[in-house]
Amino acid sequence: EIVLTQSPATLSLSPGERATLSCRASQSIDSYLAWYQHKPGQAPRLLIYGASNRATGIPARFSGSGSGTDFTLTISSLEPEDFGVYYCQKRSSWPPLFTFGPGTKVDIK
Amino acid sequence: QVQLVESGGGVVQPGTSLRLSCAASGFTFSSYAMHWVRQAPGKGLEWVAVISYHGSYTYYGDSVKGRFTISRDNSKNTLYLQMNSLGVEDTAVYFCAKDGVIPTVTNLLGYFFDSWGQGTLVTVSS
Repeated sequence: EIVLTQSPATLSLSPGERATLSCRASQSIDSYLAWYQHKPGQAPRLLIYGASNRATGIPARFSGSGSGTDFTLTISSLEPEDFGVYYCQKRSSWPPLFTFGPGTKVDIK
Repeated sequence: QVQLVESGGGVVQPGTSLRLSCAASGFTFSSYAMHWVRQAPGKGLEWVAVISYHGSYTYYGDSVKGRFTISRDNSKNTLYLQMNSLGVEDTAVYFCAKDGVIPTVTNLLGYFFDSWGQGTLVTVSS
């Protein structure tokens, strides 16, 4: 079973700063990784799929990189509305089971 | 635009059953696999189940296998989750989510979720 770990658990930054979130897989998952933003009381929002492809309508300040076991979500310049919990997620090849990482909470100072 | 609206949540006692529904609009429902994902209070996201676009294939997370059944009615653009033998550990907000990939002959399921509903709360308590 491939496990996803995320670091740091919490990130407290000021608007305008750069945020770097890490997701590590226990085995290679090629580029089949997605990132989501989740705010309390709201639906989760897809940010990145295929490790580096921005989803429709996602601002350019969000970018994803990595392949194999190490992945990064970067927010180039934090906006106040970027608070929330960010999850990485992957799918196993067979059987097709889906797994989320534990999440990184981003607080805006 | 894509709209997913969950319903059917509520407060139930341990050992009982509940059926959730997810009404879909804004896309060709019958062309996409669909998922249920849940979030227990204070916890992260947990994938629950997936159903292929035609309903022939279903897969479940280990924590719900044998108790929950995912189904769909493409004529009604509706996804369902039948939950039996509910336990306190099933208390969560349940989201339905649309698969992000158009299925092909060789790959019926994608690997991410591109649209989500707002969720419905299920509380299991005596």
